[in-house]
Amino acid sequence: EPEVTQTPSHQVTQMGQEVILRCVPISNHLYFYWYRQILGQKVEFLVSFYNNEISEKSEIFDDQFSVERPDGSNFTLKIRSTKLEDSAMYFCASSETVEAEAFFGQGTRLTVV
Amino acid sequence: QKEVEQNSGPLSVPEGAIASLNCTYSDRGSQSFFWYRQYSGKSPELIMFIYSNGDKEDGRFTAQLNKASQYVSLLIRDSQPSDSATYLCAVAEEDDKIIFGKGTRLHILP
Repeated sequence: EPEVTQTPSHQVTQMGQEVILRCVPISNHLYFYWYRQILGQKVEFLVSFYNNEISEKSEIFDDQFSVERPDGSNFTLKIRSTKLEDSAMYFCASSETVEAEAFFGQGTRLTVV
Repeated sequence: QKEVEQNSGPLSVPEGAIASLNCTYSDRGSQSFFWYRQYSGKSPELIMFIYSNGDKEDGRFTAQLNKASQYVSLLIRDSQPSDSATYLCAVAEEDDKIIFGKGTRLHILP
């Protein structure tokens, strides 16, 4: 069964360092998303991506964040200079269309120390 | 600010009973509605999706949508201990994003 895969499963980084979180969406999906979930809190929308560009982003997704689809399969989230409050679970998701259900990867737990 | 509202719970339901989870949303233009189940420390897992007013049944799960009232619900029949999880209501908005509620913690009592 097709699935969204994310790597790494856990990333520990020092404050101020850059991190790149990687995702491989389901192959025939056209819409890609990043979400964040701080421990014990709600799943928060960060950004949606379609046709090689950002289609929507939240106020959380500031200049420290960027997304890229460097090739036909990977979808990455970069945080340029991590802060302690960036510690969270980051989920990648993909869907066939904007109205269709989104399927989530297993997440990357980012810990900023 | 567009919102998806859920009662955070916990909702405690005896094993074998019906669990009823509710959600309201603020964006009248929303067309697609989803229920995800999330076990602690895991990613959201799609349970149901519904696009049209009325009921949609899949096994022990029934999703109900009332667009006029901006209300969507999930019924779980014959609740099992394995159903204990947080249930996330999600709404696909017109501007290419899916917004989640805070989730309702469901606890099935053996």
